[in-house]
Amino acid sequence: SAVISQKPSRDICQRGTSLTIQCQVDSQVTMMFWYRQQPGQSLTLIATANQGSEATYESGFVIDKFPISRPNLTFSTLTVSNMSPEDSSIYLCSVVSGGGEQFFGPGTRLTVL
Amino acid sequence: QKEVEQNSGPLSVPEGAIASLNCTYSDRGSQSFFWYRQYSGKSPELIMSIYSNGDKEDGRFTAQLNKASQYVSLLIRDSQPSDSATYLCAAWGYQKVTFGTGTKLQVIP
Repeated sequence: SAVISQKPSRDICQRGTSLTIQCQVDSQVTMMFWYRQQPGQSLTLIATANQGSEATYESGFVIDKFPISRPNLTFSTLTVSNMSPEDSSIYLCSVVSGGGEQFFGPGTRLTVL
Repeated sequence: QKEVEQNSGPLSVPEGAIASLNCTYSDRGSQSFFWYRQYSGKSPELIMSIYSNGDKEDGRFTAQLNKASQYVSLLIRDSQPSDSATYLCAAWGYQKVTFGTGTKLQVIP
């Protein structure tokens, strides 16, 4: 399994600002995902981070709000832009093995005031 | 729309009993199935994967898959208080995982 780190682990931000979350993997991986998990809820897929091309976003998520970068096979960033209190959530990156097994980072707990 | 459904619980079992967690999925094209355990405030952790019909055992955990019925289950034998967590069922297909909403398990000492 891959070892995944995320930075920051938590942050408290003001409404209207942006936060960039970093995800680092200890090995090269093809597939990387970004999820959101609101308190007491299950995982919601935001997008698939594609190396060398634009991310693929799920319904309800747009690039202007959640721009994603994937400069190489071990690193990705997710930016939460123009934040509102509704963006308060845990943001998780994950990587996938060939068989579909997912391994998650520790998450970034975001609170927007 | 691809769906994975689970009973949200909580499912309460006494310590030492067998906990049975169930999941159904809608997409017959799903190829692989997984169970993740998530402790409060932590990220999900993969505990079982199953790819073909039948049972797969790993320690106290047994995953069961019935593709004809589109049904996946997880049995936890000799349940311990440390097993108290939310268990997420997931189905993999078309290069994407679909998660259920999770079942909260409480093991009562």
